[in-house]
Amino acid sequence: DGGITQSPKYLFRKEGQNVTLSCEQNLNHDAMYWYRQDPGQGLRLIYYSQIVNDFQKGDIAEGYSVSREKKESFPLTVTSAQKNPTAFYLCASSTTASSNQPQHFGDGTRLSIL
Amino acid sequence: AQRVTQPEKLLSVFKGAPVELKCNYSYSGSPELFWYVQYSRQRLQLLLRHISRESIKGFTADLNKGETSFHLKKPFAQEEDSAMYYCALSVNYGGSQGNLIFGKGTKLSVKP
Repeated sequence: DGGITQSPKYLFRKEGQNVTLSCEQNLNHDAMYWYRQDPGQGLRLIYYSQIVNDFQKGDIAEGYSVSREKKESFPLTVTSAQKNPTAFYLCASSTTASSNQPQHFGDGTRLSIL
Repeated sequence: AQRVTQPEKLLSVFKGAPVELKCNYSYSGSPELFWYVQYSRQRLQLLLRHISRESIKGFTADLNKGETSFHLKKPFAQEEDSAMYYCALSVNYGGSQGNLIFGKGTKLSVKP
């Protein structure tokens, strides 16, 4: 179904290489989020954006970068500085950055190191 | 410290049995809590939130501020309830509301 689209579904990275994960939403949501999901760890916040042209670091931002040039797009770049990038990455959005607004999630991208 | 604790990694019950997935939180502000569910091969989705005080798929959750808990309950489990369940707390992070802190999740397995 529509809503939030993440691509690709699977991604492989070589050592020293930067890779970019795509996240697009057609829900007209202001707020967008990136999480990392590791087995037994739950979800941890990497970056978030309350509104276009604005973004803030989350709990584990080191080695990652984002941009929010368009309302519907919030790409995540995993840089070579991220020493343990192998994980499942989830993008989410919400109507606004408000405490009672639920977040809607994409299908995720699984990143592996070659 | 802001924290969500789900003490059980795995919960296994038989069909028709009651189920309770535990969630405890630590937060100095007024808590907004959610339960998210991830069925096999599906995306993470909202199950319910405490402000709605609703029952979804037979599940309910009551916020107990005294015990700082938000346990998820269902009186009669069904096989299709088998999934990964995450409790989440909405916090004020860096001046921004709406950021979620997730527990580590509980995998519910309902046996026939």
